[in-house]
Amino acid sequence: DVQVVESGGGLVQPGGSLRLSCVASEFTFKKHWMHWVRQAPGKGLVWVSRINSDGTSTAYAESVKGRFTISRDNADNTLFLQMSSLRDEDTATYYCARDGSDMALGDYNYYMDVWGKGTTVTVSS
Amino acid sequence: DIQMTQSPSSLSASVGDRVSITCQTSQSISTYLNWYQQKPGKAPKLLIYAASHLQSGVPSRFSGSGRGTDFTLTISSLQPEDVATYFCQQSYTTPFVFGPGTKVDIK
Repeated sequence: DVQVVESGGGLVQPGGSLRLSCVASEFTFKKHWMHWVRQAPGKGLVWVSRINSDGTSTAYAESVKGRFTISRDNADNTLFLQMSSLRDEDTATYYCARDGSDMALGDYNYYMDVWGKGTTVTVSS
Repeated sequence: DIQMTQSPSSLSASVGDRVSITCQTSQSISTYLNWYQQKPGKAPKLLIYAASHLQSGVPSRFSGSGRGTDFTLTISSLQPEDVATYFCQQSYTTPFVFGPGTKVDIK
């Protein structure tokens, strides 16, 4: 089955760092843009970051800009989110999602069609 | 950033009812609007992309419409398995903001 699986979440103190990973399977990872989306407990969805297919272009939500870095390893079918200077408000479930747009066919609609189950990050002292 | 609003914030309807959820954006986004369904404790699921395109495998009772700043998700005949929270999301420009969500349950 086409899927993405996140890992790397856990408990970290404020100011600490954490690296999330997302392994993709059963699709051509290097063709797809990828996203990170987070959801604080009981709250709505918040888009965090996206990266283009070859890793040369990234974008971030203002709330994480300068603290989080998205990257990818197309040889290993893996997406990363390096998080540093973590704050209480970064506590959330972090989802990795595939962008289903087929840019080779001129589709630039940017929609998230494959989601992982999420990994939980808790920032607390 | 583009601001997103959804209405209603919650609704309760009977099985078989026609249900509509609206999403408004603070500026025109053409048809760069997606809809997701999230059931409790689960990851979101894509329902509609580009305002009106039904994602593969999604039941045909779901439909989307709209352009510019006003969009609608319609469930033509509400089913028990449709109990969930529904989010719109703009993909016109980053940050790809989500709406606040609409919680749907069965009366």
